[in-house]
Amino acid sequence: DVKVTQSSRYLVKRTGEKVFLECVQDMDHENMFWYRQDPGLGLRLIYFSYDVKMKEKGDIPEGYSVSREKKERFSLILESASTNQTSMYLCASSLSRGSYEQYFGPGTRLTVT
Amino acid sequence: GQSLEQPSEVTAVEGAIVQINCTYQTSGFYGLSWYQQHDGGAPTFLSYNGLDGLEETGRFSSFLSRSDSYGYLLLQELQMKDSASYFCAATHYGGATNKLIFGTGTLLAVQP
Repeated sequence: DVKVTQSSRYLVKRTGEKVFLECVQDMDHENMFWYRQDPGLGLRLIYFSYDVKMKEKGDIPEGYSVSREKKERFSLILESASTNQTSMYLCASSLSRGSYEQYFGPGTRLTVT
Repeated sequence: GQSLEQPSEVTAVEGAIVQINCTYQTSGFYGLSWYQQHDGGAPTFLSYNGLDGLEETGRFSSFLSRSDSYGYLLLQELQMKDSASYFCAATHYGGATNKLIFGTGTLLAVQP
């Protein structure tokens, strides 16, 4: 079974802090994705990566950056956390370029106070 | 813009059949997927339609009509454990790889 793990289930940070969310997948998938999920808005893509050190912006990249130094690990960085970044953050991976199925991690509920 | 619309809530009773509709407006559309998410859980893949027609997987079926930009998820013999949110997602070619564009989700409540 594909396993996607995220470093924290719950995280509380203060406004202005730099926040790192880590995601690891164990199935040698090429693609990794970061989403945020908010009530009534569904899942919105922040950034994705299709190879090590390769990244592309999703639909809502403002205020976020990402890092993929190793194939199995994809990090989401909030450079200066703000209260409007309070959300559920979901990491996902997919096998390769033509894949339509994504495997999701359990999510990190981030609260910025 | 790119968007998928689905009802926000559906209620049904155990043993019944329920259909969750999804209409989409996307460019570079490849196919339509469905994901299930229980409260507090991760979304999990249910089905994918790359071609028009019906795909059946056990109690769940999914349908796609490209000409109508429309699809649905059909759940039969509903069980209490089917209470969850269901998301349709359009597979969209994003340049370097396929991306998913999600609908806002339908909360299904199954009552005894």
